[in-house]
Amino acid sequence: NAGVTQTPKFQVLKTGQSMTLQCAQDMNHEYMSWYRQDPGMGLRLIHYSVGAGITDQGEVPNGYNVSRSTTEDFPLRLLSAAPSQTSVYFCASSYWGGESEKLFFGSGTQLSVL
Amino acid sequence: QQQVKQSPQSLIVQKGGISIINCAYENTAFDYFPWYQQFPGKGPALLIAIRPDVSEKKEGRFTISFNKSAKQFSLHIMDSQPGDSATYFCAASTSGTYKYIFGTGTRLKVLA
Repeated sequence: NAGVTQTPKFQVLKTGQSMTLQCAQDMNHEYMSWYRQDPGMGLRLIHYSVGAGITDQGEVPNGYNVSRSTTEDFPLRLLSAAPSQTSVYFCASSYWGGESEKLFFGSGTQLSVL
Repeated sequence: QQQVKQSPQSLIVQKGGISIINCAYENTAFDYFPWYQQFPGKGPALLIAIRPDVSEKKEGRFTISFNKSAKQFSLHIMDSQPGDSATYFCAASTSGTYKYIFGTGTRLKVLA
C-alpha cells in the first residue's frame, strides 16, 4: 500500500519557469489537498479538492493552479515560479469527517526557485 | 491572520520528563483539534485528536487537554523518549469547511 506518493522529491527552478508537482493516492480518498511548509509558518493550505472535478482555494492560492480529473491524482502547477515559492510542498488525502478523520501526507517536494 | 497560536517554538526535555506544548485558537467554530508529528524528511502524521465535547483524551503516553472556555488545548507527552524528538503541529478545523489551520510547530528534543 503506497499511500500518498509525491514526485519529484527535489526540484530547482529559475524565476519564471513553470512546473507541475505530482501527487497520487491509492486509498480512494475523496479529499486531497496541497500545503506548503515554511520555517516559522507551519503548514499553510494552498488548494484542496473534495472529489474529481471539484477544487477550491485555501489560504495561499496565488501563483498556483490545480485540477482533479481522477480520484487518484491531484497535480499542483506553478505557473511562473518566484523566489517566494521556495518551500517544501506536501500533498495530503483523507476520508473527511467522523471520528476517524485523518490527513495522510506524502513525503514532500523540496522546491528552490532561484 | 494566524488563527492558531502554538508555543513554545522549541523545547528540550530530559528523557523520562513531561513535554507540554500549548495551542490557542480564536475561531469558536472550530470543532476538531488534531496534533501531528513530523520527523525530519517526512510528512506529518496524525498523533492524536480531540473534539470539544470532551476535556481530555489519552492514547498511551500522549494526552490532549482541552479547555473550551479558554479556547486552548495542549499536548502532554509523558515519560518522554529520545524517539519522540520531532516537530509537533497542532491544528484546528470546522466540520464541512474542508480546511485545516495549523500552528507554527514546536521542535521537541528529548535528551538521552
